[in-house]
Amino acid sequence: DQQVKQNSPSLSVQEGRISILNCDYTNSMFDYFLWYKKYPAEGPTFLISISSIKDKNEDGRFTVFLNKSAKHLSLHIVPSQPGDSAVYFCAAKWGTARQLTFGSGTQLTVLP
Amino acid sequence: EAQVTQNPRYLITVTGKKLTVTCSQNMNHEYMSWYRQDPGLGLRQIYYSMNVEVTDKGDVPEGYKVSRKEKRNFPLILESPSPNQTSLYFCASRDSGTNQETQYFGPGTRLLVL
Repeated sequence: DQQVKQNSPSLSVQEGRISILNCDYTNSMFDYFLWYKKYPAEGPTFLISISSIKDKNEDGRFTVFLNKSAKHLSLHIVPSQPGDSAVYFCAAKWGTARQLTFGSGTQLTVLP
Repeated sequence: EAQVTQNPRYLITVTGKKLTVTCSQNMNHEYMSWYRQDPGLGLRQIYYSMNVEVTDKGDVPEGYKVSRKEKRNFPLILESPSPNQTSLYFCASRDSGTNQETQYFGPGTRLLVL
């Protein structure tokens, strides 16, 4: 049973518009969440994170929102650029756990 | 340049033929791990190592072995590969005292077992 779910395998948006990537989790013990970006033929790279004590974290064009009651987080990219086209993974951990639990990923395509 | 390297990048093999995927990092990191990425399942941890000679199972360790004789190297061994081990494999490393954000991933090894 997957504890972190990304229900949309793919998403296409127009350049300059907002991209919204969603992630749901089932384990209420998770207290730290991360987004990774992955280009083809490369390993994932860290993008942005959020602690469960916050409901929003911003870094430039990227904002992550956390709704603990709904066990839902989302990544907003504004404005979207063609270089943002990649697979985005949501990941979660709890306490001092050493490992991350990853979602299945969403392929974002930003059309010029 | 800080990096994690994996070799080979692509490998086609047959069932039962032992293989090793090497992983090396140049950042003096204590913590290293192996993941596999499969469609619809995301990244799942196979094994991890907190330091030299210290290894432990992740979520999907069956059919794999690892060793950590040196701090920089963390090879993944498939003693008798089977078709269900066809996957994309990533090695990763980070300082044991830092957050997960500073985890560096290798470029991946795509394995096909016939």
